[in-house]
Amino acid sequence: GEEVAQTPKHLVRGEGQKAKLYCAPIKGHSYVFWYQQVLKNEFKFLISFQNENVFDETGMPKERFSAKCLPNSPCSLEIQATKLEDSAVYFCASSQSPTANQPQHFGDGTRLSIL
Amino acid sequence: AQKVTQAQTEISVVEKEDVTLDCVYETRDTTYYLFWYKQPPSGELVFLIRRNSFDEQNEISGRYSWNFQKSTSSFNFTITASQVVDSAVYFCALFMDTGRRALTFGSGTRLQVQP
Repeated sequence: GEEVAQTPKHLVRGEGQKAKLYCAPIKGHSYVFWYQQVLKNEFKFLISFQNENVFDETGMPKERFSAKCLPNSPCSLEIQATKLEDSAVYFCASSQSPTANQPQHFGDGTRLSIL
Repeated sequence: AQKVTQAQTEISVVEKEDVTLDCVYETRDTTYYLFWYKQPPSGELVFLIRRNSFDEQNEISGRYSWNFQKSTSSFNFTITASQVVDSAVYFCALFMDTGRRALTFGSGTRLQVQP
Protein backbone atom coordinates (compact mmCIF):
# COMPACT_ATOMS: atom_id res chain seq x y z
CA GLY A 1 0.00 0.00 0.00
CA GLU A 2 0.91 3.65 -0.13
CA GLU A 3 0.73 4.18 3.60
CA VAL A 4 2.17 2.48 6.64
CA ALA A 5 -0.77 0.65 8.17
CA GLN A 6 -0.78 0.01 11.89
CA THR A 7 -3.36 -2.11 13.66
CA PRO A 8 -5.12 -1.89 15.95
CA LYS A 9 -5.51 1.84 16.52
CA HIS A 10 -6.13 1.32 20.19
CA LEU A 11 -5.40 -1.72 22.33
CA VAL A 12 -6.42 -2.14 25.96
CA ARG A 13 -4.87 -4.83 28.14
CA GLY A 14 -4.86 -5.66 31.80
CA GLU A 15 -1.53 -5.64 33.55
CA GLY A 16 0.25 -8.94 32.98
CA GLN A 17 -1.54 -9.73 29.73
CA LYS A 18 0.12 -9.99 26.34
CA ALA A 19 -0.14 -7.27 23.72
CA LYS A 20 0.58 -7.65 20.01
CA LEU A 21 0.79 -4.77 17.56
CA TYR A 22 1.02 -4.97 13.79
CA CYS A 23 2.58 -2.87 11.06
CA ALA A 24 2.31 -3.23 7.30
CA PRO A 25 5.06 -1.14 5.67
CA ILE A 26 4.66 0.69 2.40
CA LYS A 27 5.03 -1.70 -0.51
CA GLY A 28 8.62 -1.75 -1.69
CA HIS A 29 10.02 -0.49 1.59
CA SER A 30 12.47 -2.97 3.05
CA TYR A 31 13.23 -1.16 6.32
CA VAL A 32 10.88 -1.02 9.27
CA PHE A 33 11.39 0.93 12.46
CA TRP A 34 9.46 0.80 15.75
CA TYR A 35 9.32 3.78 18.13
CA GLN A 36 7.60 4.15 21.49
CA GLN A 37 6.09 7.51 22.44
CA VAL A 38 5.31 7.73 26.13
CA LEU A 39 2.85 10.19 27.61
CA LYS A 40 5.33 13.02 28.04
CA ASN A 41 5.98 13.01 24.31
CA GLU A 42 9.36 11.32 24.58
CA PHE A 43 10.10 9.12 21.59
CA LYS A 44 12.23 6.06 22.11
CA PHE A 45 13.63 3.95 19.28
CA LEU A 46 12.99 0.26 19.87
CA ILE A 47 14.09 -1.84 16.91
CA SER A 48 14.56 -1.82 13.15
CA PHE A 49 14.43 -4.47 10.46
CA GLN A 50 15.86 -4.92 7.01
CA ASN A 51 13.31 -7.21 5.44
CA GLU A 52 12.99 -10.07 7.93
CA ASN A 53 16.37 -9.47 9.55
CA VAL A 54 16.94 -7.39 12.64
CA PHE A 55 18.92 -4.28 11.63
CA ASP A 56 19.31 -2.68 15.05
CA GLU A 57 17.75 -3.80 18.32
CA THR A 58 19.77 -1.71 20.75
CA GLY A 59 16.68 0.16 21.96
CA MET A 60 14.64 -2.93 22.65
CA PRO A 61 13.92 -4.01 26.24
CA LYS A 62 14.84 -7.67 25.87
CA GLU A 63 12.95 -9.11 28.80
CA ARG A 64 9.38 -8.74 27.63
CA PHE A 65 9.52 -7.21 24.16
CA SER A 66 9.96 -9.08 20.92
CA ALA A 67 9.44 -8.21 17.28
CA LYS A 68 9.32 -9.97 13.93
CA CYS A 69 9.05 -9.14 10.27
CA LEU A 70 8.21 -12.28 8.32
CA PRO A 71 7.85 -12.50 4.54
CA ASN A 72 4.36 -11.78 3.24
CA SER A 73 3.07 -10.84 6.69
CA PRO A 74 2.75 -7.59 8.62
CA CYS A 75 5.56 -6.91 11.04
CA SER A 76 4.65 -7.40 14.69
CA LEU A 77 5.72 -6.07 18.08
CA GLU A 78 4.76 -8.23 21.03
CA ILE A 79 4.91 -7.38 24.70
CA GLN A 80 4.65 -10.21 27.20
CA ALA A 81 3.42 -9.66 30.77
CA THR A 82 2.59 -6.02 30.17
CA LYS A 83 3.23 -3.40 32.84
CA LEU A 84 1.58 -0.05 33.44
CA GLU A 85 4.72 1.69 32.13
CA ASP A 86 4.19 0.07 28.72
CA SER A 87 1.24 2.39 28.15
CA ALA A 88 2.30 4.48 25.17
CA VAL A 89 1.71 5.08 21.50
CA TYR A 90 3.79 2.74 19.37
CA PHE A 91 4.72 4.09 15.96
CA CYS A 92 5.96 2.08 13.04
CA ALA A 93 7.86 3.69 10.17
CA SER A 94 9.15 2.30 6.91
CA SER A 95 11.68 3.43 4.34
CA GLN A 96 13.29 2.19 1.14
CA SER A 97 16.73 2.37 2.71
CA PRO A 98 18.13 3.30 6.12
CA THR A 99 19.50 6.60 4.90
CA ALA A 100 18.01 10.04 5.23
CA ASN A 101 17.74 10.29 1.46
CA GLN A 102 14.87 7.89 1.86
CA PRO A 103 13.02 9.36 4.84
CA GLN A 104 10.96 7.28 7.19
CA HIS A 105 7.21 7.29 6.63
CA PHE A 106 5.22 6.91 9.81
CA GLY A 107 1.99 5.07 10.47
CA ASP A 108 -0.72 6.59 12.63
CA GLY A 109 0.41 4.65 15.66
CA THR A 110 -1.20 2.15 18.04
CA ARG A 111 -2.22 3.50 21.42
CA LEU A 112 -1.60 0.80 24.05
CA SER A 113 -3.37 1.28 27.34
CA ILE A 114 -2.43 -1.01 30.23
CA LEU A 115 -4.99 -1.03 33.04
CA ALA B 1 26.03 10.31 21.25
CA GLN B 2 23.41 12.54 19.71
CA LYS B 3 20.82 14.67 21.40
CA VAL B 4 18.06 17.09 20.44
CA THR B 5 16.84 19.75 22.84
CA GLN B 6 13.59 21.63 22.48
CA ALA B 7 13.66 23.87 25.50
CA GLN B 8 10.18 25.32 24.97
CA THR B 9 7.69 22.87 26.43
CA GLU B 10 4.60 24.86 25.54
CA ILE B 11 3.92 28.09 23.67
CA SER B 12 0.62 29.91 23.47
CA VAL B 13 -0.01 32.64 20.90
CA VAL B 14 -2.97 34.47 19.50
CA GLU B 15 -3.95 33.87 15.90
CA LYS B 16 -1.93 35.86 13.34
CA GLU B 17 1.06 36.19 15.63
CA ASP B 18 4.43 34.88 14.43
CA VAL B 19 6.02 32.16 16.53
CA THR B 20 9.46 30.53 16.53
CA LEU B 21 10.11 27.05 17.84
CA ASP B 22 13.68 26.40 18.93
CA CYS B 23 15.73 23.28 18.30
CA VAL B 24 19.31 22.69 19.40
CA TYR B 25 21.12 19.49 18.51
CA GLU B 26 24.31 17.71 19.49
CA THR B 27 26.29 15.30 17.36
CA ARG B 28 29.93 14.51 16.67
CA ASP B 29 29.19 13.47 13.10
CA THR B 30 29.85 15.90 10.29
CA THR B 31 27.13 14.40 8.11
CA TYR B 32 23.67 14.43 9.59
CA TYR B 33 20.10 15.36 8.81
CA LEU B 34 17.57 17.41 10.70
CA PHE B 35 13.82 17.01 10.54
CA TRP B 36 10.71 18.72 11.80
CA TYR B 37 7.48 16.80 12.34
CA LYS B 38 4.04 18.02 13.36
CA GLN B 39 1.81 15.92 15.61
CA PRO B 40 -1.75 17.33 15.63
CA PRO B 41 -4.27 16.34 18.32
CA SER B 42 -5.32 13.38 16.15
CA GLY B 43 -1.91 11.85 16.88
CA GLU B 44 -0.30 11.12 13.55
CA LEU B 45 3.18 12.38 12.69
CA VAL B 46 3.31 14.74 9.74
CA PHE B 47 6.67 15.28 8.04
CA LEU B 48 7.44 18.98 7.49
CA ILE B 49 11.05 19.30 6.37
CA ARG B 50 14.41 17.56 6.07
CA ARG B 51 17.72 19.40 5.92
CA ASN B 52 21.20 17.93 5.57
CA SER B 53 24.22 19.27 7.39
CA PHE B 54 25.84 20.61 4.23
CA ASP B 55 22.91 22.78 3.27
CA GLU B 56 22.66 25.84 5.47
CA GLN B 57 20.29 27.71 3.25
CA ASN B 58 17.17 28.81 5.01
CA GLU B 59 13.95 27.50 3.59
CA ILE B 60 10.50 28.98 3.28
CA SER B 61 7.35 27.06 2.51
CA GLY B 62 4.25 29.20 2.66
CA ARG B 63 3.88 30.41 6.24
CA TYR B 64 6.64 28.09 7.45
CA SER B 65 10.33 28.92 7.47
CA TRP B 66 13.39 27.22 8.89
CA ASN B 67 16.67 28.75 10.02
CA PHE B 68 19.61 26.31 10.13
CA GLN B 69 22.77 27.59 11.81
CA LYS B 70 25.62 25.10 12.20
CA SER B 71 27.64 27.58 14.24
CA THR B 72 25.07 27.40 17.03
CA SER B 73 23.83 23.84 16.25
CA SER B 74 20.32 25.14 15.86
CA PHE B 75 17.49 24.44 13.46
CA ASN B 76 14.66 26.79 14.38
CA PHE B 77 11.18 26.77 12.90
CA THR B 78 9.06 29.88 12.44
CA ILE B 79 5.36 30.01 11.67
CA THR B 80 4.25 33.35 10.30
CA ALA B 81 0.70 34.58 10.86
CA SER B 82 -0.21 31.54 12.94
CA GLN B 83 -3.61 29.91 12.60
CA VAL B 84 -5.68 27.78 14.94
CA VAL B 85 -4.95 24.75 12.70
CA ASP B 86 -1.27 25.13 13.56
CA SER B 87 -2.05 23.98 17.11
CA ALA B 88 -0.05 20.79 17.56
CA VAL B 89 3.08 19.36 19.11
CA TYR B 90 6.13 19.97 16.95
CA PHE B 91 9.13 17.68 17.07
CA CYS B 92 12.65 18.31 15.89
CA ALA B 93 14.66 15.18 15.08
CA LEU B 94 18.23 14.25 14.17
CA PHE B 95 19.39 11.43 11.91
CA MET B 96 22.83 10.06 11.06
CA ASP B 97 23.59 7.79 8.14
CA THR B 98 25.87 5.73 10.37
CA GLY B 99 25.24 3.67 13.45
CA ARG B 100 21.68 3.21 14.57
CA ARG B 101 20.04 4.88 11.53
CA ALA B 102 17.06 5.81 13.68
CA LEU B 103 15.63 9.25 14.39
CA THR B 104 16.56 10.94 17.65
CA PHE B 105 13.65 13.15 18.62
CA GLY B 106 13.49 16.18 20.85
CA SER B 107 10.85 16.26 23.56
CA GLY B 108 8.53 18.40 21.46
CA THR B 109 6.99 21.85 21.79
CA ARG B 110 3.25 22.12 22.22
CA LEU B 111 1.93 25.11 20.30
CA GLN B 112 -1.50 26.45 21.12
CA VAL B 113 -2.90 29.08 18.81
CA GLN B 114 -5.85 30.89 20.34
CA PRO B 115 -8.51 32.42 18.10
